[in-house]
Amino acid sequence: DAGVIQSPRHEVTEMGQEVTLRCKPISGHDYLFWYRQTMMRGLELLIYFNNNVPIDDSGMPEDRFSAKMPNASFSTLKIQPSEPRDSAVYFCASSGLFDYGYTFGSGTRLTVV
Amino acid sequence: AQSVAQPEDQVNVAEGNPLTVKCTYSVSGNPYLFWYVQYPNRGLQFLLKYITGDNLVKGSYGFEAEFNKSQTSFHLKKPSALVSDSALYFCAVRGNSGGYQKVTFGTGTKLQVIP
Repeated sequence: DAGVIQSPRHEVTEMGQEVTLRCKPISGHDYLFWYRQTMMRGLELLIYFNNNVPIDDSGMPEDRFSAKMPNASFSTLKIQPSEPRDSAVYFCASSGLFDYGYTFGSGTRLTVV
Repeated sequence: AQSVAQPEDQVNVAEGNPLTVKCTYSVSGNPYLFWYVQYPNRGLQFLLKYITGDNLVKGSYGFEAEFNKSQTSFHLKKPSALVSDSALYFCAVRGNSGGYQKVTFGTGTKLQVIP
């Protein structure tokens, strides 16, 4: 398996633009997680899905953020409109029901100017 | 609620010396414990885990961790540090008291190995 795949690796966008981050989890994994990492806040859990259904989105910072998982092999995190304070590295991770830990993707470094 | 504390933001150690990165946890029931490492511009990589059994767990790259139930600690150790060990290390915990429980990560400790 190629692991958790995220795209793009880097994204630079202007304030006010829509940004879409993508994630392909490991095949067979039931859980998918979106994290944000910044120097100030560290690693924050934004939302996680189980069997494509959002379970806990309490970490989503604002209504500007939305996440979907239309099928077991694909998830998106969308920011609309983007703001400079959204600049961060966004990680996707997946896990199987009987796995003990998570497998992380390489992340998307988002810069909003 | 479960939680993880990594009391040191940064640990500096000379190459060849032993290293310890500290972690304490709080969780209901018996814990599942993990260490992850993050190299610059990379995602978190799994290092080792404690599920049950021997309190001393061995992982990748010569790292090991000791589970201490009475002190609720899971410190990461390595007998001889390498410059290439310099990275950000995350401790994590997951409860197993029934139902699915997500993993809670600590704030991370930056390890700097000095040549």
